[in-house]
Amino acid sequence: NAGVTQTPKFRVLKTGQSMTLLCAQDMNHEYMYWYRQDPGMGLRLIHYSVGEGTTAKGEVPDGYNVSRLKKQNFLLGLESAAPSQTSVYFCASTPSGLYEQYFGPGTRLTVT
Amino acid sequence: SQQGEEDPQALSIQEGENATMNCSYKTSINNLQWYRQNSGRGLVHLILIRSNEREKHSGRLRVTLDTSKKSSSLLITASRAADTASYFCATALRGSNYKLTFGKGTLLTVNP
Repeated sequence: NAGVTQTPKFRVLKTGQSMTLLCAQDMNHEYMYWYRQDPGMGLRLIHYSVGEGTTAKGEVPDGYNVSRLKKQNFLLGLESAAPSQTSVYFCASTPSGLYEQYFGPGTRLTVT
Repeated sequence: SQQGEEDPQALSIQEGENATMNCSYKTSINNLQWYRQNSGRGLVHLILIRSNEREKHSGRLRVTLDTSKKSSSLLITASRAADTASYFCATALRGSNYKLTFGKGTLLTVNP
């Protein structure tokens, strides 16, 4: 099993450009999450999904959109990137909201 | 404000010594989890302790939970250079079964 994978690993965007980050898991987990990690801030929840076709806002959702069309995939979109979105993005999944989460390796995004 | 706060923010010890990290939180929880993050990598789950448990062991790890003080500690015994990483506590809040709230982490450096 590959676990949780994220594509791409690195990306540099110019302000105003758009992109989509892909998260895939092969563990048949119901719950999936997108976090951002900034220096000194820990992990902050952007959006999450409790099942195929569902999404919900987390702590810092502004400027991001998500979709969960297939159970194994959770997409994070930036419609118009801003320098404040420079961060490392992590995806995670879990079979239940009360269980441990399994994390992907992260995507390092720089917006210039 | 952060639900979980780790203390200290940074800890430097010699190989073979024990390392203790603490986590305090504000509201009632279902469980508390500890994660490790090696530099530039995704988070890895270490241990989960439920609100009705007081102590849990896993290999060289010992976690305690004091719900009356809303605090937890992670003890790593006989530390190794490979234990060098950031350690995060995460709380699953009671009444919120879908998500974890992460602290800012403790950076542990184990010197050979």
